[in-house]
Amino acid sequence: NAGVTQTPKFRILKIGQSMTLQCTQDMNHNYMYWYRQDPGMGLKLIYYSVGAGITDKGEVPNGYNVSRSTTEDFPLRLELAAPSQTSVYFCASSMGLGVTSQYFGAGTRLSVL
Amino acid sequence: DAKTTQPPSMDCAEGRAANLPCNHSTISGNEYVYWYRQIHSQGPQYIIHGLKNNETNEMASLIITEDRKSSTLILPHATLRDTAVYYCIVDRWDSGAGSYQLTFGKGTKLSVIP
Repeated sequence: NAGVTQTPKFRILKIGQSMTLQCTQDMNHNYMYWYRQDPGMGLKLIYYSVGAGITDKGEVPNGYNVSRSTTEDFPLRLELAAPSQTSVYFCASSMGLGVTSQYFGAGTRLSVL
Repeated sequence: DAKTTQPPSMDCAEGRAANLPCNHSTISGNEYVYWYRQIHSQGPQYIIHGLKNNETNEMASLIITEDRKSSTLILPHATLRDTAVYYCIVDRWDSGAGSYQLTFGKGTKLSVIP
């Protein structure tokens, strides 16, 4: 199993551009999550999904959109990139049934200039 | 806001036990304590979790006080590869979504010294 795969690993955007961060998991997990981590800080939840077709906002959803058309994929969309969205983005997944651990991808480092 | 309090940093000599404390005085009866770690520039890695009883796995041991207001993660023989930020997390059950959502604080930066 590859686990949780995120692409791209690095990206530089200009202000106002849009992009999609891809996340795929091959563990047949129902639950998927997007976090962002600013320098020196902990992770903050952006969006999460409890299954295909179901998504919900986390702590910091403004400026982002998600979709979950399949169990495996959970892309994160930035429509109008702003410097405040410069961060490291982590995707994670878990079984979500009872008490389970989350498995994280390697992250996408995004700079908005 | 995170419901846990951890020291910002700790040092540990290589080969010694690393004991990382965490306070979670407002923990509810059905909330679990999770520990994750993040090695520089990588995604967080699950270590261990527990409810009331002490737990042990191949990576670490988790000691939870009887009143559940604090816990300690123990790495029995720290190596240089254990240098990382360690996060103590009390899970939050979202009854509407039917999911656990982890709230990460700033964690403890553990430096293992040769």
